Amino acid sequence: GENVEQHPSTLSVQEGDSAVIKCTYSDSASNYFPWYKQELGKGPQLIIDIRSNVGEKKDQRIAVTLNKTAKHFSLHITETQPEDSAVYFCAASMGSWGKLQFGAGTQVVVTP
Amino acid sequence: GAVVSQHPSWVICKSGTSVKIECRSLDFQATTMFWYRQFPKQSLMLMATSNEGSKATYEQGVEKDKFLINHASLTLSTLTVTSAHPEDSSFYICSAEIEASGTETQYFGPGTRLLVL
Repeated sequence: GENVEQHPSTLSVQEGDSAVIKCTYSDSASNYFPWYKQELGKGPQLIIDIRSNVGEKKDQRIAVTLNKTAKHFSLHITETQPEDSAVYFCAASMGSWGKLQFGAGTQVVVTP
Repeated sequence: GAVVSQHPSWVICKSGTSVKIECRSLDFQATTMFWYRQFPKQSLMLMATSNEGSKATYEQGVEKDKFLINHASLTLSTLTVTSAHPEDSSFYICSAEIEASGTETQYFGPGTRLLVL
């Protein structure tokens, strides 16, 4: 089955700096890669996703890149703000089959 | 994005009792819903996939007789933890899948924290 590895496990950045989280996946059949943000005590919130027919996608301060050859994808947050502090999870799935395989999560702390 | 609700948001119960958790998609119909559990500082673990009008598909190691799932309509799925024990204490989260333009996206509920005494 699919295996998703996520690094780093914790990330501390100064407000205004950029944050990058990387994930690798094992199953070349995976074609859907969402990123979720989870604040303490809440459910995960979809922040951005990318499908295998696209190499990069951007939404304001958030961007995701995908390298299918290398089987890795990354989340980039620019101009970080304290409210970006949360746990971020990457995931991979084979699209219409629905099941998401999650990474272990990255605790992001943005210090003012 | 699409809105998914869960009820209750938290529940405390005595060991041996059963607890029912509801998951609703508020502004869309979801053919497929998923149930996850999450322990502190850990990732989400898929428990089962729930399809409207059919039996749920459980992941390996998840007891189907202990975690009863019902998906009676396109907007409601329920998870019942039967004869709950302290080791069942966890954060239970559902997600609902929406299909648009031939692609599927999962949206998560706010979670239900279960504490079994």
